Amino acid sequence: KQEVTQIPAALSVPEGENLVLNCSFTDSAIYNLQWFRQDPGKGLTSLLLIQSSQREQTSGRLNASLDKSSGRSTLYIAASQPGDSATYLCAVLAEGGSNYKLTFGKGTLLTVNP
Amino acid sequence: NAGVTQTPKFRILKIGQSMTLQCTQDMNHNYMYWYRQDPGMGLKLIYYSVGAGITDKGEVPNGYNVSRSTTEDFPLRLELAAPSQTSVYFCASSFRDSTNEKLFFGSGTQLSVL
Repeated sequence: KQEVTQIPAALSVPEGENLVLNCSFTDSAIYNLQWFRQDPGKGLTSLLLIQSSQREQTSGRLNASLDKSSGRSTLYIAASQPGDSATYLCAVLAEGGSNYKLTFGKGTLLTVNP
Repeated sequence: NAGVTQTPKFRILKIGQSMTLQCTQDMNHNYMYWYRQDPGMGLKLIYYSVGAGITDKGEVPNGYNVSRSTTEDFPLRLELAAPSQTSVYFCASSFRDSTNEKLFFGSGTQLSVL
């Protein structure tokens, strides 16, 4: 059974700091990995999607890397801003019986202090 | 585009009552999903649909029913509400092309069963 773990569960940093969020998964036979952002009281917004054949994806100040063989992904946020404060979740897509299955981690709550 | 629209945003039910959570998407997506999110537990898949007329169970389907009569709509039905169904419910949709899939989420329905 695929399990996705995100460490730390919560992170507080001062504005301007570069930071890394971690995601690990137990079964490396994945098709892709996604990073999502969730603001309080809102749904999830997809930030980056990395296919299993890719090593990284970048969007603005965000960079996500994938090491499938070791079951790890990181989300790097450069020059953090208070507006980056949110919960960040990762999810992996893998075989799941008759269909593909998306498994989510529990998220990292990020607070960027002005 | 409105994206994924969920109604209502909040609801309080008494034990044993029934209700339908509505979900509509205007992106012509083939896949639609219902998740529940409990504090500290991550997202759990309740039901999903790969197209109109086709639905299947996820991880936690007990106590729920769904239908998909059109591409746009994917309502979730609670027949006999129980306190264990107190949660935040998210509908999501995607266009799945092989393993390339980006999910779009609604803003959620916060349900309390008392």
